Amino acid sequence: AQSVSQHNHHVILSEAASLELGCNYSYGGTVNLFWYVQYPGQHLQLLLKYFSGDPLVKGIKGFEAEFIKSKFSFNLRKPSVQWSDTAEYFCAVAAMDSNYQLIWGAGTKLIIKP
Amino acid sequence: GAGVSQSPSNKVTEKGKDVELRCDPISGHTALYWYRQSLGQGLEFLIYFQGNSAPDKSGLPSDRFSAERTGGSVSTLTIQRTQQEDSAVYLCASSFTNSNQPQHFGDGTRLSIL
Repeated sequence: AQSVSQHNHHVILSEAASLELGCNYSYGGTVNLFWYVQYPGQHLQLLLKYFSGDPLVKGIKGFEAEFIKSKFSFNLRKPSVQWSDTAEYFCAVAAMDSNYQLIWGAGTKLIIKP
Repeated sequence: GAGVSQSPSNKVTEKGKDVELRCDPISGHTALYWYRQSLGQGLEFLIYFQGNSAPDKSGLPSDRFSAERTGGSVSTLTIQRTQQEDSAVYLCASSFTNSNQPQHFGDGTRLSIL
């Protein structure tokens, strides 16, 4: 069965630290890849997505993610985090052969210390 | 325009009662999804509608769960004879056409079964 793995359930960083959240998936075919973010008290919203083309995609608020097909990974990065980045981050994968149904990771809770 | 609207935002009910959760998708979005998010877990897919039909009901956890969508718009998720393990946040999302498009989420309904 297809699955999405987020390696860290909780991450605590200080402001200005660099961030990398891991995401790996277990599907060998064509996929679309997403990162969603849920800020405290708010609904889930799209952070960035990859469909095709340049494997390095840039999203809102200075986030970027790199699709590495050979590693089945789509890690999320930000060079310098801010307190306002405190949120839960979800990786999701949509596989062409599954009619693009989204498979979700368990999420990573990110806490930024001011 | 308005986003995805879910009601009620919170529901507390006794074990064994039936509950009905409502989702108003973004106007023009033909695809509608229901997910469940239990404490400390990722999103669990429940059901997907394309228009009024549900081509994928694979995620419904038991026959106590059902969903319908009328007029290609509003959807209701019904849970009969609720059990304590049904306690979770139930999220609705909508998107244009199929699930290859980014999904827009509502704020969810927090369901607590006593």
